[in-house]
Amino acid sequence: AQRVTQPEKLLSVFKGAPVELKCNYSYSGSPELFWYVQYSRQRLQLLLRHISRESIKGFTADLNKGETSFHLKKPFAQEEDSAMYYCALSDFSQGGSEKLVFGKGTKLTVNP
Amino acid sequence: NAGVTQTPKFQVLKTGQSMTLQCAQDMNHNSMYWYRQDPGMGLRLIYYSASEGTTDKGEVPNGYNVSRLNKREFSLRLESAAPSQTSVYFCASSPRDRGYEQYFGPGTRLTVT
Repeated sequence: AQRVTQPEKLLSVFKGAPVELKCNYSYSGSPELFWYVQYSRQRLQLLLRHISRESIKGFTADLNKGETSFHLKKPFAQEEDSAMYYCALSDFSQGGSEKLVFGKGTKLTVNP
Repeated sequence: NAGVTQTPKFQVLKTGQSMTLQCAQDMNHNSMYWYRQDPGMGLRLIYYSASEGTTDKGEVPNGYNVSRLNKREFSLRLESAAPSQTSVYFCASSPRDRGYEQYFGPGTRLTVT
């Protein structure tokens, strides 16, 4: 079964420090992976997806199939990055599921 | 485009009462979803609809029913609310029926006393 694990419920860093939010997945097919962000009391919005290889708001994520990981990184955290971050997985192969599987989320706090 | 809209934004129910949460999208998406979000539990899928006229259970369907009224609208009904259903409910839609990028509504904060 598909599974997404975000091992840290809470992560706190200081402004200007590097930040890494961890995501590991369990899936035997061809995964499509996403990071969603939810700012305080707002809707979830897509931050980035691995196939587009974009850098959004300074964040990047690399899919490591060997380690089955998709960690989210930013070299210099900003206070406005404080939010809840969710890693999600979808089966994008032929006959795949219509669903996204979400991790339980990591709450990032960037201190001044 | 308004994207995904949800009504109401807030609701307080007494145990045993019923209500329907409404969701609509104007992006011509095939798939629609209902999630609940609880502290420490992340997002859990309640029901989803891959296309108009079809619905399927997600991870936590008990106590809920859904209706895909047309391509735009997907409603979630609580027939007899329980305190365990206190949560924030999010509706989402997706342009493809393979779980591709999902677009979320603003959420409904429901409290059952």
